[in-house]
Amino acid sequence: DTEVTQTPKHLVMGMTNKKSLKCEQHMGHRAMYWYKQKAKKPPELMFVYSYEKLSINESVPSRFSPECPNSSLLNLHLHALQPEDSALYLCASSLGPLGTGSGGGYTFGSGTRLTVV
Amino acid sequence: LAKTTQPISMDSYEGQEVNITCSHNNIATNDYITWYQQFPSQGPRFIIQGYKTKVTNEVASLFIPADRKSSTLSLPRVSLSDTAVYYCLVGTYSGAGSYQLTFGKGTKLSVIP
Repeated sequence: DTEVTQTPKHLVMGMTNKKSLKCEQHMGHRAMYWYKQKAKKPPELMFVYSYEKLSINESVPSRFSPECPNSSLLNLHLHALQPEDSALYLCASSLGPLGTGSGGGYTFGSGTRLTVV
Repeated sequence: LAKTTQPISMDSYEGQEVNITCSHNNIATNDYITWYQQFPSQGPRFIIQGYKTKVTNEVASLFIPADRKSSTLSLPRVSLSDTAVYYCLVGTYSGAGSYQLTFGKGTKLSVIP
C-alpha cells in the first residue's frame, strides 16, 4: 500500500458544528502532517507528528485540534470554524520528519475540500 | 532558515525540455531538496529528491551545483499532462526538535500544443 487516504473528500459544515478529518497510511511512515491550502496558494504547514508525538504546531488556532491515535492514523478535529477556514486540507506522511532519506519525500493524500458556511 | 524562490510561471511547447530553477541561498548542510507536482484539487505528488550533483529518475532530473544554493528540475519532452504547479521544498532543521517544512510559491507550468 503506497497511499495516504483522506476522508471525507468533501465536507460542508456550519460555524457551530464539530467535525473531524481523517487520514490513514500503511507504509510504515513515522511522520505525519496536516497542511492547509487556499486556492492558488502553496500548502501551509499546520501540524507535524513525529513518532506519534506532536513536534510542530505552526501557531494554528485552537479551533483546529490534531490527534494521532497510532502510527497509521491522523485526525484533525474541527470546532467553531470560520468561513475563512474554508480550504483544501491535505494530509501527508514521510519516513522521517524532514521527508528525506531512503523513503524519498512526502506522500500526500488527495485532500478534504472543506467549506464553512 | 532556508527559503525558496521560483519563477511564478513558465510556458513551454509540447515535446520540449523544461528547466525550472529554485533558489535556496540559506540551505543548511543537512538539508535535502525535493520537488513536487500538483494538479488542481489534488495533493502534491513527489517527483524527485536530491542532496548534491545530479539525480535522475524515470520522470525527471535534478541538478544541484556544488554550492547547493540553487537546484534545477529538468522535465524532458513535456506533454500537455505536465501542465501543473511545481514546488521546490527544502526541509530545514530549526533546532530544538523544530523543522521548517515550507513550500515556496511554486511555478505554474503551462504546456502549449
